[in-house]
Amino acid sequence: AQKVTQAQTEISVVEKEDVTLDCVYETRDTTYYLFWYKQPPSGELVFLIRRNSFDEQNEISGRYSWNFQKSTSSFNFTITASQVVDSAVYFCALRAYSGGGADGLTFGKGTHLIIQP
Amino acid sequence: GAVVSQHPSWVICKSGTSVKIECRSLDFQATTMFWYRQFPKQSLMLMATSNEGSKATYEQGVEKDKFLINHASLTLSTLTVTSAHPEDSSFYICSARRSVGRYEQYFGPGTRLTVT
Repeated sequence: AQKVTQAQTEISVVEKEDVTLDCVYETRDTTYYLFWYKQPPSGELVFLIRRNSFDEQNEISGRYSWNFQKSTSSFNFTITASQVVDSAVYFCALRAYSGGGADGLTFGKGTHLIIQP
Repeated sequence: GAVVSQHPSWVICKSGTSVKIECRSLDFQATTMFWYRQFPKQSLMLMATSNEGSKATYEQGVEKDKFLINHASLTLSTLTVTSAHPEDSSFYICSARRSVGRYEQYFGPGTRLTVT
């Protein structure tokens, strides 16, 4: 079975601060994909990144960066110089190949990020 | 590209009635579509996987007779909540995966169901 843990339920920072959202996953599969999604108040999920289990390179996209550490089963997400528009719920998700015969995503509980002006 | 729509975006129905939610992939073909449910301030939970032309695969604990899924074409899957009750009130989100190529799931905007 797969499991994704986002231990931080809510984080509140002041604008322009850097913030890191933690994600720890569990899977027995050697091939899997990890995702981050943003869910603003409108509810629509916004895809941020996909990483496969064979690619441990960290990635940077503008103010966003991701740190994939297979040794600790973590896939953390950092926002640099946060902005009010970054306020949302962020979900980490896992897709493996053996999950119940289907390959739907297993989501963490989400981290509610509040950026105060 | 890779746009997924859902209809309706919100619906209010009376207890005991049935509600149908549509999920469409607008600019690509999707052999597989997924249905998720999200209760307020909670995570998304996979309900079922819908494959075009075959029966849906339901996750443990999801009543297949209550949540009827039909995937009659490569661009449309429907979720029917039968005999809805207030506890079925939730945010229902579908996603679609391309028939070929990349593995991203493209999510629809969600449907908010309120059962009174």
